[in-house]
Amino acid sequence: GAGVSQTPSNKVTEKGKYVELRCDPISGHTALYWYRQSLGQGPEFLIYFQGTGAADDSGLPNDRFFAVRPEGSVSTLKIQRTERGDSAVYLCASSLNGDEQYFGPGTRLTVT
Amino acid sequence: SQQGEEDPQALSIQEGENATMNCSYKTSINNLQWYRQNSGRGLVHLILIRSNEREKHSGRLRVTLDTSKKSSSLLITASRAADTASYFCALPRRPIIQGAQKLVFGQGTRLTINP
Repeated sequence: GAGVSQTPSNKVTEKGKYVELRCDPISGHTALYWYRQSLGQGPEFLIYFQGTGAADDSGLPNDRFFAVRPEGSVSTLKIQRTERGDSAVYLCASSLNGDEQYFGPGTRLTVT
Repeated sequence: SQQGEEDPQALSIQEGENATMNCSYKTSINNLQWYRQNSGRGLVHLILIRSNEREKHSGRLRVTLDTSKKSSSLLITASRAADTASYFCALPRRPIIQGAQKLVFGQGTRLTINP
């Protein structure tokens, strides 16, 4: 079966621009997570959804970051007024029973 | 902090040797997970060990958990070049909601297997 997919795989944007990153989880997985990973570091939790609702968004760094999952499947991470410090790999994961998380390949975001 | 700390930060061994990585943490946990990340396959779940388990095996992988010392180890036996990757321990972070748990990752151990 298909794994978690993320688009785009790479995104280069100018400082101040708006970006959207998409995550398509494994079909049937109710939990969806967003993480951010900087070079040489482990993934850092941002937000997770249980169904359509954000169960915990405590990892979002500020109000420029927002994520939605309107139908309980695909999720979009939105970043407004991007800054160079937002450059990182954004990882999405999904899980069925809350234990093992299946990660997508990530979106590498570069803010110039 | 519920972040695990991996040790060593980097490890380089010859193919065929065993590799051991450690993870220490500070708070009580109900499970601990190990993940592998390489450029080819991204971040992949390896094994989950629950707090009431002391040892778990999966192929060439052996994970131990000592809750009294708040530490876990990952042993890879008979290493192969394909095992070259970064290895992370991940701890669930409170609150844990049924069906989902956010994870806190350490900085990882970068393992290099030399042919």
